[in-house]
Amino acid sequence: KQEVTQIPAALSVPEGENLVLNCSFTDSAIYNLQWFRQDPGKGLTSLLLIQSSQREQTSGRLNASLDKSSGRSTLYIAASQPGDSATYLCAVDNYGQNFVFGPGTRLSVLP
Amino acid sequence: ETGVTQSPTHLIKTRGQQVTLRCSSQSGHNTVSWYQQALGQGPQFIFQYYREEENGRGNFPPRFSGLQFPNYSSELNVNALELDDSALYLCASSGEKQGNYGYTFGSGTRLTVV
Repeated sequence: KQEVTQIPAALSVPEGENLVLNCSFTDSAIYNLQWFRQDPGKGLTSLLLIQSSQREQTSGRLNASLDKSSGRSTLYIAASQPGDSATYLCAVDNYGQNFVFGPGTRLSVLP
Repeated sequence: ETGVTQSPTHLIKTRGQQVTLRCSSQSGHNTVSWYQQALGQGPQFIFQYYREEENGRGNFPPRFSGLQFPNYSSELNVNALELDDSALYLCASSGEKQGNYGYTFGSGTRLTVV
């Protein structure tokens, strides 16, 4: 059974810092991995999708890497801004059946 | 290209009642999945529909049921509501689209059972 964990559970940083969010999964036989952002009480916004054959994806200040063999993914946020404050969720797609989500990392970027 | 839309956005029901939540999938998507997200937790998979057939189910009791229509929109029905059913219910659609096999989520329906 696939299990996904995220470290840290919460993070508070001053504006401008570069930061790394970590995601680990137990079963390396995944289809893809997707990072989402969730604002309080809202739905999920897709940030980056990494196919199982890829090693990383980049979008603006965001970079996500995937190491299937070690069951790890990291989301790197450069030059953080207060608008980046949200919960970040990592989700693993088990061959199109369903996503298994981590519990999320709650990020606060202080002005 | 429209995204995933869910209705209603908020709902309050009494324990024991029944509720129906609705989801319109993104244009061109033929697969719809439903998730339950309790406060402070990651979403949990309820079930998935592909071309009007159930295509996988998570660890939820039979009182959680669903439907997908020919236009690929979907409904989630919950009977005999319990207090623990209070959560954000998320719908996601997906479909083969030039290498993008990711999911698009709606904004969710916040269900409160009192």
